[in-house]
Amino acid sequence: QSVLTQPPSASGTPGQRVTISCSGSSSNIGSNTVNWYQHLPGTAPKLLIYSNNQRPSGVPDRFSGSKSGTSASLAISGLQSEDEADYYCAAWDDSLNGVFGGGTKLTVL
Amino acid sequence: EVQLLESGGGLVQPGGSLRLSCAAYGFTFSSNAMSWVRQAPGRGLEWVSAISGSVGNTYYADSVKGRFTIARDNSKNTLYLQMNSLRAEDTAVYYCAKKGINSGSYLNLDYWGQGTLVTVSS
Repeated sequence: QSVLTQPPSASGTPGQRVTISCSGSSSNIGSNTVNWYQHLPGTAPKLLIYSNNQRPSGVPDRFSGSKSGTSASLAISGLQSEDEADYYCAAWDDSLNGVFGGGTKLTVL
Repeated sequence: EVQLLESGGGLVQPGGSLRLSCAAYGFTFSSNAMSWVRQAPGRGLEWVSAISGSVGNTYYADSVKGRFTIARDNSKNTLYLQMNSLRAEDTAVYYCAKKGINSGSYLNLDYWGQGTLVTVSS
């Protein structure tokens, strides 16, 4: 059972917009920034969003993040086949632990 | 170019020990906090441990506290994870990752290694 809660799966067709939610608590998302990762099996995870809504250099602006209270969301617009991957939210917790969500498997139909 | 190269994984019996290493290239290692993150077979990512840059403050997941020790040798640009009293549930791919400079969060990890597999089995 992960500390941050994500839906196990999501799907969309090419060109669609999909969102992935991440629910936490006052000790993690509520008081610390949220980061999002894209992970393809057999490869290193890739940072997509940091500080709730900031994109690292090279990440397309199709990816966006937001946070409200103890929840956060990742939105992917203009869905592409190469976006099919696992997505994780992550945040620091005030108990001095790092916490990840359980991951959401995105399928592009 | 930033590169992180993990080594030291392998097969170990329950109760045994293993030390992972992560050689860092392409950035000022001593100035950057580092983390270990693992992924067990069929499971999601799990944060394991973090260490700050120059001061070397350390942090651990409850699941490994008292068994694992994170350390760094800034003269060798290398991060370590000493794993003792290993259990079957520690079986995973272990990644080292560098903390990004644009935010204070230890979970802002902007570069990752390719991972090293640790298998705990008799």
